[in-house]
Amino acid sequence: QKEVEQNSGPLSVPEGAIASLNCTYSDRVSQSFFWYRQYSGKSPELIMSIYSNGDKEDGRFTAQLNKASQYVSLLIRDSQPSDSATYLCAVNRGGDSWGKLQFGAGTQVVVTP
Amino acid sequence: ETGVTQTPRHLVMGMTNKKSLKCEQHLGHNAMYWYKQSAKKPLELMFVYSLEERVENNSVPSRFSPECPNSSHLFLHLHTLQPEDSALYLCASSPRGGGQETQYFGPGTRLLVL
Repeated sequence: QKEVEQNSGPLSVPEGAIASLNCTYSDRVSQSFFWYRQYSGKSPELIMSIYSNGDKEDGRFTAQLNKASQYVSLLIRDSQPSDSATYLCAVNRGGDSWGKLQFGAGTQVVVTP
Repeated sequence: ETGVTQTPRHLVMGMTNKKSLKCEQHLGHNAMYWYKQSAKKPLELMFVYSLEERVENNSVPSRFSPECPNSSHLFLHLHTLQPEDSALYLCASSPRGGGQETQYFGPGTRLLVL
């Protein structure tokens, strides 16, 4: 079983629509959760981090965490062509586990005009 | 320069060569990381350094040898690599190495082993 699972996509989203990305993780003691965006040929950059159950909003992005279901999601509202990228879910156990992020393989998002 | 820089950006090497990748962070961070990103695979953590001390070696083959002379610089020494080692090698840094910290990535070195 993969430690962090994401649908690989591509997820095709019309411009202006909501993109919904999902991520599940296997380690129940995981504490910290991150969404990174990676454009083709570029390095990952942080979009959102979330540590507590519930929703966290930042501009057009909303992260949702449900630790009981071991599930974290990312919503992108009013999707723009510039949102076309691969979105990486990363999970860290926190505590004394240092910054040992476990990444999913990523979901490719394509926003069509 | 700002952020995290990596050199070279592209590298082609034969299996018998020895080369080194360099990473430098200008963020005042104390933790640095090496990741490997192969096509269609998740990023794989290779090494973690905190205050120049290696705190994680994620079962990486000995043909990869990290070096962290100070908290701003990180090297990855490569020798007798295999073609399957061809990948994007990413360096990252974070303030102290804690689990809740954002990691900031460099642009990566695209490595091709022939």
